[in-house]
Amino acid sequence: GQQLNQSPQSMFIQEGEDVSMNCTSSSIFNTWLWYKQDPGEGPVLLIALYKAGELTSNGRLTAQFGITRKDSFLNISASIPSDVGIYFCAVPPRNRDDKIIFGKGTRLHILP
Amino acid sequence: SQTIHQWPATLVQPVGSPLSLECTVEGTSNPNLYWYRQAAGRGLQLLFYSVGIGQISSEVPQNLSASRPQDRQFILSSKKLLLSDSGFYLCALWMGSGELFFGEGSRLTVL
Repeated sequence: GQQLNQSPQSMFIQEGEDVSMNCTSSSIFNTWLWYKQDPGEGPVLLIALYKAGELTSNGRLTAQFGITRKDSFLNISASIPSDVGIYFCAVPPRNRDDKIIFGKGTRLHILP
Repeated sequence: SQTIHQWPATLVQPVGSPLSLECTVEGTSNPNLYWYRQAAGRGLQLLFYSVGIGQISSEVPQNLSASRPQDRQFILSSKKLLLSDSGFYLCALWMGSGELFFGEGSRLTVL
């Protein structure tokens, strides 16, 4: 079945550093979603991308929809402690009988 | 806008006991509903999804079951819990386009 390969699996960074993560697939998609999950809570949508090549920002977060439509990237600039959590890429179902596909997540840890 | 409520938020149950987790949604009709399980620090495992009342698709063979008795209600159940059923259970809805919305989650500990 379709899979999203998300990397890195985890990151340990210093506060203030920039962060980059990505998702790739062998399939073409029309929408890419990026979620963040704070510890003990449900995932929340950060950014949605609907067009190949699109670059969208949400504060310190920037996400890009790859030109090939097979990948997407999420960058966080000047990380702060509240950025800690798990980041998931996802693609929505193609129809009502299909499933949303999630990457396995990138766990962001910020060192004191 | 749509909202998702999960109940209970936290549950501690002995092995072999039954389970019932409830998910109710508001502000929408005829959504797709999903149950995910997440082990500590791990990814999201899809357990069940439903495209309508009484329609359940199972993704993973296990001792869990799901039911959708009403359009806006999705229930996750077990007759006998196993230790491996411990985890964070998330209900989610999708309206046919755009994003998937998640509930707050129910944390289950089986002892």
